[in-house]
Amino acid sequence: DAGVIQSPRHEVTEMGQEVTLRCKPISGHNSLFWYRQTMMRGLELLIYFNNNVPIDDSGMPEDRFSAKMPNASFSTLKIQPSEPRDSAVYFCASSLETANSPLHFGNGTRLTVT
Amino acid sequence: AQKITQTQPGMFVQEKEAVTLDCTYDTSDPSYGLFWYKQPSSGEMIFLIYQGSYDQQNATEGRYSLNFQKARKSANLVISASQLGDSAMYFCAMRPNTNAGKSTFGDGTTLTVKP
Repeated sequence: DAGVIQSPRHEVTEMGQEVTLRCKPISGHNSLFWYRQTMMRGLELLIYFNNNVPIDDSGMPEDRFSAKMPNASFSTLKIQPSEPRDSAVYFCASSLETANSPLHFGNGTRLTVT
Repeated sequence: AQKITQTQPGMFVQEKEAVTLDCTYDTSDPSYGLFWYKQPSSGEMIFLIYQGSYDQQNATEGRYSLNFQKARKSANLVISASQLGDSAMYFCAMRPNTNAGKSTFGDGTTLTVKP
């Protein structure tokens, strides 16, 4: 099993630019999560999907952030326009939709906005 | 609302000794799962061990065991025979049965294993 695949691994962009992060979950997993990790705020849940449907996006910081899951094997997190305070590591994770299923994380995308 | 508390920002342990990382949680859900994850300096998040709220026995996975005390709402991770490769950040997390999407993570504990 290839695990959760995220791209790119690193992204450096200038303030105001659009950033798109990509994720391919593990086949058969019906829940997908986007997390953001910073030193100041720790690990924050941004949004999660069940069966490709966004269930809770209350963690999305503001309208500049949007996420989609057009099918069971692909999701994107977009930031437009990006700001320096968006600099963080963004993780995608997938799992089965049960309380006893662990989250399987991708390797993360380290975003730097200058 | 759910909350995970990890009170130890940093811990040190001598190689080959055992160490306990503390985790307390708060939830109104009667059924939930508790998880520990390891994040080495390379950054990836690795699942270590799971404990169900109705499990009668403490979970074990190799050198990892979970000291689960439901009445005290604690789920401490015990690492036996520490190795230098155990140096990492460790996160405790909870996933309720009623809303399995709402995984809540603690702030983490940084463990350093000394040679």
